[in-house]
Amino acid sequence: AQSVTQLGSHVSVSEGALVLLRCNYSSSVPPYLFWYVQYPNQGLQLLLKYTTGATLVKGINGFEAEFKKSETSFHLTKPSAHMSDAAEYFCAVRRVDSSYKLIFGSGTRLLVRP
Amino acid sequence: DSGVTQTPKHLITATGQRVTLRCSPRSGDLSVYWYQQSLDQGLQFLIQYYNGEERAKGNILERFSAQQFPDLHSELNLSSLELGDSALYFCASSTGTYLNEQFFGPGTRLTVL
Repeated sequence: AQSVTQLGSHVSVSEGALVLLRCNYSSSVPPYLFWYVQYPNQGLQLLLKYTTGATLVKGINGFEAEFKKSETSFHLTKPSAHMSDAAEYFCAVRRVDSSYKLIFGSGTRLLVRP
Repeated sequence: DSGVTQTPKHLITATGQRVTLRCSPRSGDLSVYWYQQSLDQGLQFLIQYYNGEERAKGNILERFSAQQFPDLHSELNLSSLELGDSALYFCASSTGTYLNEQFFGPGTRLTVL
């Protein structure tokens, strides 16, 4: 069975500091992986995705994630946090069956301190 | 703007009542997903439709049902509402193909009093 684990329900960083949000997955086949962001009172927005090819994936708003098969990880990073990055972030893996539905992690709330 | 629309934005109702939430997918998307987001349960997949047919079911209560119409819009019906049904309900759409990048609507916030 596929699953996603996000370590840390809350992460707090100072403005300008490195952002690191952790995601580990389990999958018996090569996964398709996604990061979504949810700003307050809004729906989820796709930040980036990994399917095949280059393991370092760049997304919107300066975020990137690296697929590491040996570590079964897909951590999300941003070199310098901005106040506007404060939101909840969800990692997801695509289920390998005919539904292709996404399995989401429990989410990590990012707090950015001035 | 994701291109997915949901109505209404807010809904306040009483226990025991029935409500209908509506979703219009992005143009060209055949697949619609419904999710429930609550503080205690997180983001939970409820049900998926593809081109009018149910494709996958998740943690959807028997009091809840959904359908997708020929014009591809979808409705989620919630009946015999309980206080615990208060949540944010999201609709997402995708092409339904192997990549399955989902685009989310703004959600409907349901409050059951």
